[in-house]
Amino acid sequence: GDSVTQMEGPVTLSEEAFLTINCTYTATGYPSLFWYVQYPGEGLQLLLKATKADDKGSNKGFEATYRKETTSFHLEKGSVQVSDSAVYFCAFGTSYGKLTFGQGTILTVHP
Amino acid sequence: EAGVAQSPRYKIIEKRQSVAFWCNPISGHATLYWYQQILGQGPKLLIQFQNNGVVDDSQLPKDRFSAERLKGVDSTLKIQPAKLEDSAVYLCASSATGTGGISGANVLTFGAGSRLTVL
Repeated sequence: GDSVTQMEGPVTLSEEAFLTINCTYTATGYPSLFWYVQYPGEGLQLLLKATKADDKGSNKGFEATYRKETTSFHLEKGSVQVSDSAVYFCAFGTSYGKLTFGQGTILTVHP
Repeated sequence: EAGVAQSPRYKIIEKRQSVAFWCNPISGHATLYWYQQILGQGPKLLIQFQNNGVVDDSQLPKDRFSAERLKGVDSTLKIQPAKLEDSAVYLCASSATGTGGISGANVLTFGAGSRLTVL
């Protein structure tokens, strides 16, 4: 069935390190892909999205490219900050509107 | 614009008791979703409304969970009787685009959630 698989966490990095969080999906058709972020004590927020193959979503220095051939949507950031510490969720959406989420990856960034 | 409002933020109950959560979506958003997020897992869709009609409730445990969206605006999710495994955060989300959106590109806006602890 439809599903999203995210890289196992938690991920711990030093400030200014490079970040990659892997995400692969299994879905019917060509869904839109999303990364949502949940900061401590806050609700889920959209970080970025891509709606078709080879699209690159970007926001706040984060990027992810929709790779249809590998059914992947890996999240990257060149230089993380302490304020990026949060839980990151990969998700895909269908024409019915609902989102299917991965299990989440906890990121902790140390000064 | 005001965000998605949810209440209560926290609720602690004994097993077999009942509980209700309320959600007020962003004004004008036709579609409303209830998700369950168990600790350490991603959110799982319980029910999706388009205006006041149900689009998808395939993962709603209907023997104990119920939800309604009267007048197509705010919504209530009820659990009766609660079980220990219902301990989770219940997230409400809304979106402007209804069913049939372009390849699911519609963005969901989430509320802060209601954290339920069942003892």
